[in-house]
Amino acid sequence: EDKVVQSPLSLVVHEGDTVTLNCSYEVTNFRSLLWYKQEKKAPTFLFMLTSSGIEKKSGRLSSILDKKELFSILNITATQTGDSAIYLCAVAKNSGGSNYKLTFGKGTLLTVNP
Amino acid sequence: GAVVSQHPSWVICKSGTSVKIECRSLDFQATTMFWYRQFPKQSLMLMATSNEGSKATYEQGVEKDKFLINHASLTLSTLTVTSAHPEDSSFYICSANRVYGYTFGSGTRLTVV
Repeated sequence: EDKVVQSPLSLVVHEGDTVTLNCSYEVTNFRSLLWYKQEKKAPTFLFMLTSSGIEKKSGRLSSILDKKELFSILNITATQTGDSAIYLCAVAKNSGGSNYKLTFGKGTLLTVNP
Repeated sequence: GAVVSQHPSWVICKSGTSVKIECRSLDFQATTMFWYRQFPKQSLMLMATSNEGSKATYEQGVEKDKFLINHASLTLSTLTVTSAHPEDSSFYICSANRVYGYTFGSGTRLTVV
């Protein structure tokens, strides 16, 4: 059975802190790993990672994938109250064709206090 | 960028009635869409894969007769919750695949009273 495990499940920090969110997975026919930010409604896309060791950055957010150890981390530097959200990790697997299923982790609830 | 529109954003219905949720891809064609449900403080659980022009593929444990999916065109998939009960109250989200990753609809909060 495919598994995606995120840790910690929740985290409370102060503005300006740096946080690291973890995602480990056990999935057959791995295709890619995706990170999403979910506030009140639907998740918004952050990163898609397919290759090991290549860091992806977007402003204060960055992420990297280790396909040997089967995990990914999402870093947020200089956190702001607007970063407060649930961060979801999802793994896509090859299932034939161009469309593939996502298996989501339970998410990390990040709260950034002023 | 790729936009997926979901409607309605919230709905309250009486127990025993049916509710239809629409998911449209606005600027691209989606041969496949996915439907998820999310309970409070829990992750997204895939319910079914909606395939244009053919039957949907349901995940284990999801009742196909209760959650009817229709994907009649390349831009529209619908999920109908039939004979809704309070335990069907949840957040339902659709998504479609784009080359850079999945795009999600804005979600539908369903409350069955």
